[in-house]
Formats: sequence, C-alpha cells, structure tokens
Amino acid sequence: NAGVTQTPKFRILKIGQSMTLQCTQDMNHNYMYWYRQDPGMGLKLIYYSVGAGITDKGEVPNGYNVSRSTTEDFPLRLELAAPSQTSVYFCASSAGRSGANVLTFGAGSRLTVL
Amino acid sequence: GDSVTQMEGPVTLSEEAFLTINCTYTATGYPSLFWYVQYPGEGLQLLLKATKADDKGSNKGFEATYRKETTSFHLEKGSVQVSDSAVYFCALSPPGGANNLFFGTGTRLTVIP
Repeated sequence: NAGVTQTPKFRILKIGQSMTLQCTQDMNHNYMYWYRQDPGMGLKLIYYSVGAGITDKGEVPNGYNVSRSTTEDFPLRLELAAPSQTSVYFCASSAGRSGANVLTFGAGSRLTVL
Repeated sequence: GDSVTQMEGPVTLSEEAFLTINCTYTATGYPSLFWYVQYPGEGLQLLLKATKADDKGSNKGFEATYRKETTSFHLEKGSVQVSDSAVYFCALSPPGGANNLFFGTGTRLTVIP
C-alpha cells in the first residue's frame, strides 16, 4: 500500500518556467490537499479538493492551479514560477474533513526557483 | 485568526532523557488539536490528537493534554530513544471541522546515544 506518492522529490526551476507537481493516492480518499512549507514557517494550505471535479482555495492559492479529474490524482500546477514559490510542497489526503480525519502525507517535493 | 505557536528548535537530547515540546494555540471556541511527526525522508504522520478540553492524547509513549485554561497542548515523553529523532508539528483544526489544519513551524528533535 503506497499511500500518497509525490513526484518529483526535487526540482530546480528558472523564473518564469512552469511545472506540475504530481500527487497520487491509492486509499480511495475523497479529500486531498496541497500544503507548502517555507523555512521557519508552518505548513500553509494552498488548495484542497473534496472529491473528483471539486476544488477550492486555501490560505495561499496565488500563483497555483489544481485539477481533480480522478479520485486518485491531484496535480498542482505552477505557472510563471517566481522565487517566492521556493518551498517544500506536501500533498495529503483524508477520508473526510481534516478536523475529524487523519491526514496521510506524501514525503514532500522540494522546489527551488532561481 | 486561528494559529499555533510552537517551541523553537532544534532540540538535542541524550537517550532516556525527558522531552517536552511546547505548543500554544489561538482559536475561538474549542478546536481539535494534533501532533504530527515527520521521520527523515517520510511524510508527516499523525502521532496523537485530542478533540476536547482535558482530553489526553497518547501514542508510542508520547502524551499531550488539551488545556483550555492555558490554551496549550504540550508534547511530552518520559524517556526518548534514538528512533524518536524527527520533526514534530503541532496543529489545530477550528471548531466545525473546517477543511484546513493550522500548523506550527515544527521542532526538530535529535536524540543521541
């Protein structure tokens, strides 16, 4: 049982480039999340999804886009990368609302924008 | 707004030492409180939780008590092991089960033999 799988683990981008962080879960969870963690800061919610075809903004959505075409996949798209998007990105999933259900996290993707 | 303030790290302890990692929160009403742990190279995983005042969460020898009067949820372990070396995150979920957890900054613990 793989849980939540994120790719790539590391990536360096140039300013203005775009890329997609992939996230897949095999637990049939309805809820999926993208968080970012900046140095010395807590995790901040970027976007979340409560099911296929449904997404919503979190605390820090600017500069990102998401889609949820299947239950398993929740890719995070960065358009026009900026140095402020240098961070560690975590994908997570849960069976229900985050307050009442355990979140299962991926191992993280470290992104550097130069 | 809702937030969590967590003890700054890193923390280095000898094996069998007592551990306390402080966590205080700001929230209206009665949030749910969590400790997540991240071992090297892995994702965060739930360590323990408490959903109402005076509840004590416990797991793997770790404990934390939800103290409404001091708005705290400090993590403790009586005797740490090398295998406890990890980053520990305190988090809260606002009342009503919102689709967001508010995380602290994380505290890196290193236990030396």
